[in-house]
Amino acid sequence: GESVGLHLPTLSVQEGDNSIINCAYSNSASDYFIWYKQESGKGPQFIIDIRSNMDKRQGQRVTVLLNKTVKHLSLQIAATQPGDSAVYFCAEKENQGGKLIFGQGTELSVKP
Amino acid sequence: EAGVAQSPRYKIIEKRQSVAFWCNPISGHATLYWYQQILGQGPKLLIQFQNNGVVDDSQLPKDRFSAERLKGVDSTLKIQPAKLEDSAVYLCASSLLLTVNTEAFFGQGTRLTVV
Repeated sequence: GESVGLHLPTLSVQEGDNSIINCAYSNSASDYFIWYKQESGKGPQFIIDIRSNMDKRQGQRVTVLLNKTVKHLSLQIAATQPGDSAVYFCAEKENQGGKLIFGQGTELSVKP
Repeated sequence: EAGVAQSPRYKIIEKRQSVAFWCNPISGHATLYWYQQILGQGPKLLIQFQNNGVVDDSQLPKDRFSAERLKGVDSTLKIQPAKLEDSAVYLCASSLLLTVNTEAFFGQGTRLTVV
């Protein structure tokens, strides 16, 4: 079946640097994409979302980019902080029924 | 606003035993999801409810897993009998609507260890 996947399992960055986490998806019919942050022992926490009719959306220190041509999603975190250390998942939502499908995850480690 | 509540937080059982997990979604949220998250993997959807009806249970191992949401609010997920490979974190999530652009809020999960 179709699924959402991630390019890299781990990412290590220096505090203050910008982080870029990538995601590839395969279902071209998906209409809605979400990035979640999951800290150890906790459930996924919503970070930012984007509809398929957009190619960029900005939040506080985070930006999501969507490239539908190559089915690629990325999360950019500006001025990465130690508190950003977590596993980041991209997820896509199917148009009908609202089923939320998660990718494998990228573990972000921020070095002080 | 209270979040999604799950209990218990941790459970250890022997294989072939039964176990049940409970979820109380955010008040007013019509859609409720149960996910299974195996260590090192992304959450996998087991079942999705809209009010008290099942929207999708295509990935629920129905020979051993069951779930219900009788009054359209709280939900329970049961495993009977458990297998070693059921060891995972079971996450409950809820969202206000079934429509595409509504985010899902997750509980802290129940960590199940089957020995």
